[in-house]
Amino acid sequence: GAGVSQTPSNKVTEKGKYVELRCDPISGHTALYWYRQSLGQGPEFLIYFQGTGAADDSGLPNDRFFAVRPEGSVSTLKIQRTERGDSAVYLCASSASGTSDSYEQYFGPGTRLTVT
Amino acid sequence: DQQVKQNSPSLSVQEGRISILNCDYTNSMFDYFLWYKKYPAEGPTFLISISSIKDKNEDGRFTVFLNKSAKHLSLHIVPSQPGDSAVYFCAAKSGGYQKVTFGTGTKLQVIP
Repeated sequence: GAGVSQTPSNKVTEKGKYVELRCDPISGHTALYWYRQSLGQGPEFLIYFQGTGAADDSGLPNDRFFAVRPEGSVSTLKIQRTERGDSAVYLCASSASGTSDSYEQYFGPGTRLTVT
Repeated sequence: DQQVKQNSPSLSVQEGRISILNCDYTNSMFDYFLWYKKYPAEGPTFLISISSIKDKNEDGRFTVFLNKSAKHLSLHIVPSQPGDSAVYFCAAKSGGYQKVTFGTGTKLQVIP
């Protein structure tokens, strides 16, 4: 079975532009997570979906960041008016359930975003 | 405010010896701890976890120890193998919340 996939693998954009990053979770996984990893840092939590709804968006840094999961499967992370500080690897993860500690999160390979 | 700290950015160990990776946390609400392993250009892979009701959890060559009073946990790999060379992240969460807080990682190199 396929793991978590993310597209594109690399994205270069100019400052001020809008970008969309896509995540395809493992089939049947109800929980989906977005993280951001800057150079030399660990992954930083952004948002968590349980089904179609955002159960916790406390990690989104500001209102330029938005994420959707309209059908409870694929998710899109949207960044408006990109800034150079948004450059990072954006990781997506999914788990079978978001309601148990024992359900491990499976990570995708990430999208490397570079804002020039 | 770094709530999960891995103070050693790198560690080198001879093949066959023990690798010990350390992690400290500051948030006393954390009650579930995880270790992830990451190879270059790949996402992190779950390795082992421990609940705060335990002080040790073992899975094959990997053992995690938790010292709640010291807010410290460690990952032991015995014996270390070259394929273990990767970045290891310590992570923590609070019960009922799915937000996972990661440390900055320790790059382990196992020398053949």
